[in-house]
Amino acid sequence: GNSVTQMEGPVTLSEEAFLTINCTYTATGYPSLFWYVQYPGEGLQLLLKATKADDKGSNKGFEATYRKETTSFHLEKGSVQVSDSAVYFCALISTLGRLYFGRGTQLTVWP
Amino acid sequence: GAGVSQSPRYKVAKRGQDVALRCDPISGHVSLFWYQQALGQGPEFLTYFQNEAQLDKSGLPSDRFFAERPEGSVSTLKIQRTQQEDSAVYLCASSLRDPYNSPLHFGNGTRLTVT
Repeated sequence: GNSVTQMEGPVTLSEEAFLTINCTYTATGYPSLFWYVQYPGEGLQLLLKATKADDKGSNKGFEATYRKETTSFHLEKGSVQVSDSAVYFCALISTLGRLYFGRGTQLTVWP
Repeated sequence: GAGVSQSPRYKVAKRGQDVALRCDPISGHVSLFWYQQALGQGPEFLTYFQNEAQLDKSGLPSDRFFAERPEGSVSTLKIQRTQQEDSAVYLCASSLRDPYNSPLHFGNGTRLTVT
């Protein structure tokens, strides 16, 4: 079946620190992979996606590479900002179009 | 507004009451999804519509849950005889075409508390 496992939070970092949030998945076939972000008081927003092995998704300084051999899609950012404080969700999409989400990782960045 | 709109924003129901949650998708969006997000968890799929057709309802947790989208735009999620375990945020999302090829836009959700 399909599932996503995400590193547990919360993650607390100082501004300009390096961020990694780990995500691994189990799937039938080769699904597209996503990172969604939920800022306080707002709805889920797509942050980035990758549709096939070795693809790198990137947006707003965040990156994630689709690794088929390790079934991983880790989220990274070289220098976080206070405005990056949010909950981050890793997800995959099945062939039927439904998203499977991880549990979410709360990130807090201090100035 | 141009986004997905959900109402009410908050709903408190006594155990046993029926509730109806509304979703206004982005105009012209063909696909519509409902997800349930329990506290501290990721969203879990409930059901999927393409226009007015409910193509997948396998995520609905019991026959107390019912969703409809009669004219292919606004959708309503109804929960009958609410139970405490129904307390969660209910998210609606829409996409222009099929979700595999066009991004999903999420609403802010309805937070349901069953007392």
